[in-house]
Order: sequence, then C-alpha cells, then structure tokens
Amino acid sequence: EAGVAQSPRYKIIEKRQSVAFWCNPISGHATLYWYQQILGQGPKLLIQFQNNGVVDDSQLPKDRFSAERLKGVDSTLKIQPAKLEDSAVYLCASSPRLSKGDTQYFGPGTRLTVL
Amino acid sequence: QKEVEQDPGPLSVPEGAIVSLNCTYSNSAFQYFMWYRQYSRKGPELLMYTYSSGNKEDGRFTAQVDKSSKYISLFIRDSQPSDSATYLCAVNRDRGSTLGRLYFGRGTQLTVWP
Repeated sequence: EAGVAQSPRYKIIEKRQSVAFWCNPISGHATLYWYQQILGQGPKLLIQFQNNGVVDDSQLPKDRFSAERLKGVDSTLKIQPAKLEDSAVYLCASSPRLSKGDTQYFGPGTRLTVL
Repeated sequence: QKEVEQDPGPLSVPEGAIVSLNCTYSNSAFQYFMWYRQYSRKGPELLMYTYSSGNKEDGRFTAQVDKSSKYISLFIRDSQPSDSATYLCAVNRDRGSTLGRLYFGRGTQLTVWP
C-alpha cells in the first residue's frame, strides 16, 4: 500500500512570496490533516478535513494560510505572503476515518525555508 | 501551559541499555496516548498507542500511562543503534470538536551508540 505522498520535499522562498504544498493521502482515507513542525518542536495541527469538508481549522492562521481538498482526495496548503516564522516542515497525514490517534499516517513532509 | 511537556534531551546511551522517555500532560480530558518515532528527514510513524491508564508491551517497547499523575512513559529494552531517532509523545481527546487533533510533545532526540 502506497503511503502519503507530498511534494515538493524542499522549498526555499523569500519573505512575502507565496508557496503551495501538495498532498496525496493513502487511497480510501477519508480524513486528511496538515501539521506544522517548527525545528525543535512537535507537530501542530493546522487543519483537518473529513472528505472535502473542514472539521477543525481553529489553529490555521487564516490571514495568510489557506487549504483546500477538492473532490475529497488530494489537498493543497498555501501560504500567501510567507513570513520568516513560517520556516518549518509541513506534514500531511491521513486516516481512514476521524481518528483518535491510532490510525494517522504521516507523509515525509515539505521543508520550507523562508529567507 | 502547553498541553504536553517533554524533555528534548538529547539522550545518548550505549547499545543494549534500557531507555526511559517521559512526558507530562495538562488536561485530564486526554484519553488516548501515543508514541511516535521520527527519523531524520522523515515523517513521524506510530510506535505505541494506548487508551486510558495502564501498560502496553510490544516487543522491546513498553508504554505506560499514569492518569492520576498525568504522566506517560516509553521504555525501550536492549536498545539498538537503529533506535536512534526523535521520539514524540502525543495525546488526544475521545470526543468533542477537537477529536482527531493530536497534541505533541517537542520530542526527545535519542542516540544509541554501538
């Protein structure tokens, strides 16, 4: 079974530029999560989708971050404009259903550096 | 106060040692407790998952939860160089609008040297 795919793996941009990340979850997984992991910290949930609907986006900085999951499969996370403090690894995870933690599978992440 | 506190280490032990990793959490509403392992440049992978208090054993790994003191532990017996990674504890509620949101500790970096 293929895992969670993410691209690009690395991205370097200057502050105030825009950037987008893509995630393809495990086939058949209804729930998709985007986490932000700043160096030296644990991942923090940004947004959670159930199929193509948002379940939890209370920790998403909506003035600059946006995410969508069209057709309930792939998802994109966008930052516009980027700030220095957005430098982090952006992790996508998926689970077959809304998960209590036992079935969240993580992708390799996209490492973003904002200069 | 952060939801989960974890000593970041680093922790360096010789091969074969018993490793003890620990976290504390703040909210008694948390019912699910997890340990993830994260290798460098990789995403976290689930190592152990427990519900409520008690012990759970899987091979060389044992997870313990003490809800009375809000304390969770991971023990690694006969540690191997391949266990070298960052270990993240995580907690979750069992209901409510934040179901599915994992709260992670900052991770403990472990090195097992041969």
